[in-house]
Amino acid sequence: GAVVSQHPSRVICKSGTSVKIECRSLDFQATTMFWYRQFPKQSLMLMATSNEGSKATYEQGVEKDKFLINHASLTLSTLTVTSAHPEDSSFYICSARLRGGQSKIQPQHFGDGTRLSIL
Amino acid sequence: AQTVTQSQPEMSVQEAETVTLSCTYDTSESDYYLFWYKQPPSRQMILVIRQEAYKQQNATENRFSVNFQKAAKSFSLKISDSQLGDAAMYFCAYRGHYGGSQGNLIFGKGTKLSVKP
Repeated sequence: GAVVSQHPSRVICKSGTSVKIECRSLDFQATTMFWYRQFPKQSLMLMATSNEGSKATYEQGVEKDKFLINHASLTLSTLTVTSAHPEDSSFYICSARLRGGQSKIQPQHFGDGTRLSIL
Repeated sequence: AQTVTQSQPEMSVQEAETVTLSCTYDTSESDYYLFWYKQPPSRQMILVIRQEAYKQQNATENRFSVNFQKAAKSFSLKISDSQLGDAAMYFCAYRGHYGGSQGNLIFGKGTKLSVKP
């Protein structure tokens, strides 16, 4: 089945540093990837939609200069949290959508998430 | 805009018993898809069951089944013969027609299910 690999699974870093999270579709091509943020005991909130070869579409209230998204190939999207602060601490999950008709059956395949802690 | 509402923050069920999780949604679209995802403590998102709105027949996957009421915009999940491994957060999700929304999912706030031995 389709597998999405998200790396790293856990990051702890100092305030002010930038953190890059990778999301890879291992055995399929993903023209569209999604980045979600999940606070403790809350639901997933869509941050942005990443399309291969074009600029990401950000949801209202998400700072595009803060959360840089790059989708340079059909199998890789990256999220960079720039100049991270403690309030950026959260659980970040990516997902990838299969191309064509398969997307109707299972719309997205999720990575295992990244727990980001900013000290 | 579409919304998904899960009115039960927490539910509890005895092992081997049956439990129903509620979900309602709001949309003006006629063609869409509905899903239930399970998120165990590992935080991995696992697709449990899916329903296409144009299908009247309720979806079933082993011990999991849904009660899809399109007119009422209701999509509840029934778990039969509950097992300890069913304990998790359950999210109801909506996805609009492919052409309109790029396929992104809209999630409810989730229901935390506990299973008592």
